[in-house]
Amino acid sequence: GENVEQHPSTLSVQEGDSAVIKCTYSDSASNYFPWYKQELGKRPQLIIDIRSNVGEKKDQRIAVTLNKTAKHFSLHITETQPEDSAVYFCAASRGNYGQNFVFGPGTRLSVLP
Amino acid sequence: DGGITQSPKYLFRKEGQNVTLSCEQNLNHDAMYWYRQDPGQGLRLIYYSQIVNDFQKGDIAEGYSVSREKKESFPLTVTSAQKNPTAFYLCASSTGTSGEQFFGPGTRLTVL
Repeated sequence: GENVEQHPSTLSVQEGDSAVIKCTYSDSASNYFPWYKQELGKRPQLIIDIRSNVGEKKDQRIAVTLNKTAKHFSLHITETQPEDSAVYFCAASRGNYGQNFVFGPGTRLSVLP
Repeated sequence: DGGITQSPKYLFRKEGQNVTLSCEQNLNHDAMYWYRQDPGQGLRLIYYSQIVNDFQKGDIAEGYSVSREKKESFPLTVTSAQKNPTAFYLCASSTGTSGEQFFGPGTRLTVL
């Protein structure tokens, strides 16, 4: 079955710097890759997603890149702000059934003022 | 955020008791999911349902049961057979086409 690894587990950056979180997946049939942000005590919320027919997607300060050959995808946050501090989870769909995900273990991002 | 709700927010259970966690959505979503979240781990899928009166086991279904009698509701029962039930439980729903899952606020279950 699908397995998703995520690195690093914790990440500290200075405000204004960039942050990069990387995930790898095992199922070559996976076709949907969402990223969720979970603030302390709150529910996870989708921040960006990418489908397997696209190599990169941007939304303001957030971007995701996908390398299908290597089976890895990354989240890039530029000009980080204190409100970016949270736990970020990547996920990959199980096979080509886009709804059912396997989540990575999460990355705790701290943006230092 | 109010589209999917969970209750109660906190739940305490004695060992040997079954408890039921509520999940309701008014988003008209076909699919619903239950996840368990433990510190330092990602979300692990317990059960999911793509349509009323049908559901499938996820990765960690042992000790849990669900029902899907109505489109809006997907309750999860944590049975006494679940050896380590203390965790944060998240319910989610999706349209079945877009991929995005919308999460409820969660229920924190503690076994005393």
